[in-house]
Amino acid sequence: ETGVTQSPTHLIKTRGQQVTLRCSSQSGHNTVSWYQQALGQGPQFIFQYYREEENGRGNFPPRFSGLQFPNYSSELNVNALELDDSALYLCASSLPETGGSADTQYFGPGTRLTVL
Amino acid sequence: QKEVEQDPGPLSVPEGAIVSLNCTYSNSAFQYFMWYRQYSRKGPELLMYTYSSGNKEDGRFTAQVDKSSKYISLFIRDSQPSDSATYLCAMSPSTSGTYKYIFGTGTRLKVLA
Repeated sequence: ETGVTQSPTHLIKTRGQQVTLRCSSQSGHNTVSWYQQALGQGPQFIFQYYREEENGRGNFPPRFSGLQFPNYSSELNVNALELDDSALYLCASSLPETGGSADTQYFGPGTRLTVL
Repeated sequence: QKEVEQDPGPLSVPEGAIVSLNCTYSNSAFQYFMWYRQYSRKGPELLMYTYSSGNKEDGRFTAQVDKSSKYISLFIRDSQPSDSATYLCAMSPSTSGTYKYIFGTGTRLKVLA
């Protein structure tokens, strides 16, 4: 069983640019959640995708958007990058249908985004 | 007031000590409680989860939930230098169809050899 993987590991962009981050969910998991973790803070929920549909969204502007593909992998897109977007972006996968411990979200290693 | 409060530390303890990490919360709808460990520049790793008030033990780790006080704890026995990391508590209002975890800021723990 493979865990959650994310790419790229690191990324440097300038203000105003656009970025796409990628996530492959753990084998058998159909739900992907994205979080933003600023330095010294806990992860903040961005949104979740379940079977290719958005299934809840946190307090992030529309320039944060996402996709989930039929194989349950996912992308996070951020347009018009701002300096405050610099953070570790985490992807977590889960399998909520079976309930109990299967609801637990398992995190990938993250993508560190620096906006200059 | 944040929904989940956690002392950021840092907390320094000698090797072998019992460590107590805590979070308080304000939302009585939270039903599902998790502890994650995060090493520097890595993703969070699930340590323990629990649904209800009471204690849950797993090796050197014990998770405790007191819903009446809106207070959760993680105890680490016989702490080791390899336990040095940031410990994040996380909570969710439901178990199935969970769509959003609320995290504390994390407590930095350093176990001194």
